[in-house]
Amino acid sequence: NAGVTQTPKFQVLKTGQSMTLQCAQDMNHEYMSWYRQDPGMGLRLIHYSVGAGITDQGEVPNGYNVSRSTTEDFPLRLLSAAPSQTSVYFCASSYSVDIRVVSGANVLTFGAGSRLTVL
Amino acid sequence: KNEVEQSPQNLTAQEGEFITINCSYSVGISALHWLQQHPGGGIVSLFMLSSGKKKHGRLIATINIQEKHSSLHITASHPRDSAVYICAVYPEKLVFGKGTKLTVNP
Repeated sequence: NAGVTQTPKFQVLKTGQSMTLQCAQDMNHEYMSWYRQDPGMGLRLIHYSVGAGITDQGEVPNGYNVSRSTTEDFPLRLLSAAPSQTSVYFCASSYSVDIRVVSGANVLTFGAGSRLTVL
Repeated sequence: KNEVEQSPQNLTAQEGEFITINCSYSVGISALHWLQQHPGGGIVSLFMLSSGKKKHGRLIATINIQEKHSSLHITASHPRDSAVYICAVYPEKLVFGKGTKLTVNP
């Protein structure tokens, strides 16, 4: 099924542990991105990528690493989890989020979300 | 810093009413997105636009670039429209509003 697959759906970590949230898409989208959603804060961009081998920081990148070795995958790594990273995480992909890049696949497609709790 | 403000924060309507949700932003942008987050948490993209108006079913999105303002309208609202509606703008990176929670009562 075409779409964005995000795993795991739920994860509980202890402070200092590391983990990777996986994100994969099979739509040949160039743009992939990670967001966190916290109550009262809305969605905030963590990191994004406009193509394989290219990543950049978003609004809240500290404590997170990403890589984009293939077009399909964009994992998000928490190197040393902190309670402040307790949140719901979403991955999303698109051909492009800039309408100047004209394509019928400009619409953002989101994964189902991952709820992370850091104790 | 680009700020995205949505209004109202919460909106309750009766089935059949015409709904308007507003989004204002502070810097020049090249694209604006409207998203819908279902009560279960899933997020779907409704529109991406940079000028004028787009329509899909009962949903209409408009944007006024000069006034830095966009509106999302829902005609003949239905309880299944109950969701959080999120505006996001693209100057260089996506910046999101905090969302408008819509409840449509039967």
